[in-house]
Amino acid sequence: ETGVTQTPRHLVMGMTNKKSLKCEQHLGHNAMYWYKQSAKKPLELMFVYNFKEQTENNSVPSRFSPECPNSSHLFLHLHTLQPEDSALYLCASSQGESSGSLAKNIQYFGAGTRLSVL
Amino acid sequence: EDKVVQSPLSLVVHEGDTVTLNCSYEVTNFRSLLWYKQEKKAPTFLFMLTSSGIEKKSGRLSSILDKKELFSILNITATQTGDSAVYLCAVEASQWSWGKLQFGAGTQVVVTP
Repeated sequence: ETGVTQTPRHLVMGMTNKKSLKCEQHLGHNAMYWYKQSAKKPLELMFVYNFKEQTENNSVPSRFSPECPNSSHLFLHLHTLQPEDSALYLCASSQGESSGSLAKNIQYFGAGTRLSVL
Repeated sequence: EDKVVQSPLSLVVHEGDTVTLNCSYEVTNFRSLLWYKQEKKAPTFLFMLTSSGIEKKSGRLSSILDKKELFSILNITATQTGDSAVYLCAVEASQWSWGKLQFGAGTQVVVTP
């Protein structure tokens, strides 16, 4: 158990569906991240939130919409996805930019949501 | 262009063997390099390296950074089947937006009994 919980663990959706991925961290961190992991490709950073403010949007298509209501929760809202969006979506958290420690960028990951778009 | 390259892409070893994984990088204003182990889904943190020549060690795992030659090594001695996983390397650079890590594609290690 890493202290970062993601739900659901598996999700199958059609291209016209709307669904949301949820991430919750119990580590007292202030920064949260969404990553996409496709087969045979490096982890791709999608979004970064630091103290609830979005600090990175890595050219992600608008069919992915993040939401960070507080430092412990992060959502990824999905709509009109494409089959190539099928992947493992990982959430991570870290201490946050203001911590002043070298350890602030150690990211702790959840187990991910395996998404299949039909 | 910034790059993080891991080698080999995969390897198979017998229990008890020693494994050496390589992560080379080309980034400007390097700040730190991190190693993760991904067994099933969640990558778990192993080491963070910021200074050249200082070995980090945890049990049978150790890692070292060479900032002059721009690479890091992860060693696993006396391997066990539980070491089977994908090992990920990630780099942080100070000119990137805060929180951004660039990952390599990973090295898949299979340890056979």
